[in-house]
Amino acid sequence: EIVLTQSPGTLSLSPGEGATLSCRASQSVSSSSLAWYQQKPGQAPRLLIYGASSRAPGIPDRFSGSGSGTDFTLTINRLEPEDFAVYYCQQYGTSPFTFGPGTKVDIK
Amino acid sequence: EVQLVESGGGLVQPGGSLRLSCTASGFTFSGYVMTWVRQAPGKGLEWVSAINGNGGSTYYADSVKGRFTISRDNSENTLYLQMNSLRAEDTAVYYCAKKLVGSGWGPWGNWGQGTLVTVSS
Repeated sequence: EIVLTQSPGTLSLSPGEGATLSCRASQSVSSSSLAWYQQKPGQAPRLLIYGASSRAPGIPDRFSGSGSGTDFTLTINRLEPEDFAVYYCQQYGTSPFTFGPGTKVDIK
Repeated sequence: EVQLVESGGGLVQPGGSLRLSCTASGFTFSGYVMTWVRQAPGKGLEWVSAINGNGGSTYYADSVKGRFTISRDNSENTLYLQMNSLRAEDTAVYYCAKKLVGSGWGPWGNWGQGTLVTVSS
């Protein structure tokens, strides 16, 4: 099983600041099959990034993803009020299709 | 517009069974991998099971293997999750989700609103 570790656990930032979220895999993620999801309280997850760096339809360009192999990053430029949420990375290349524990981005 | 609507959740005793349904619309259901993901109260996301478009290939998390069965009825545009031998740790909101595009098993670009399963005596 590929174990995903996310850091930091919580990120306290102000609107307008940038955020850098990390996701590290216990072994190489095949074909960069790495996705990032955003989840707000009481809502279903929302796909942001797939294939490590491709934005899902309708996702603003302030969200970007990078990385390969075992190290991946989600970058959010200029945080908007609606961006404060929990972010999960997930690998879908090898079953079981594991999620990381999440990074909470909250308002400072 | 893609819509996924889960149903079938509720309160069940430990050791009991429940069948979840996910009714899909707005896309060619048989053409897409579908999956179930759950979230225990206050916890993170946990992938549960996935099935390919024709139902011929399935995967399960170790935590549910042998107890849960994923299936689909492409004529009814419906995804199912049969859950047997339920345990307290299966208590969660269960989401169904649809693969976005392309080959492989993910990512999952459309999600239902979730249905709550509570396992308790």
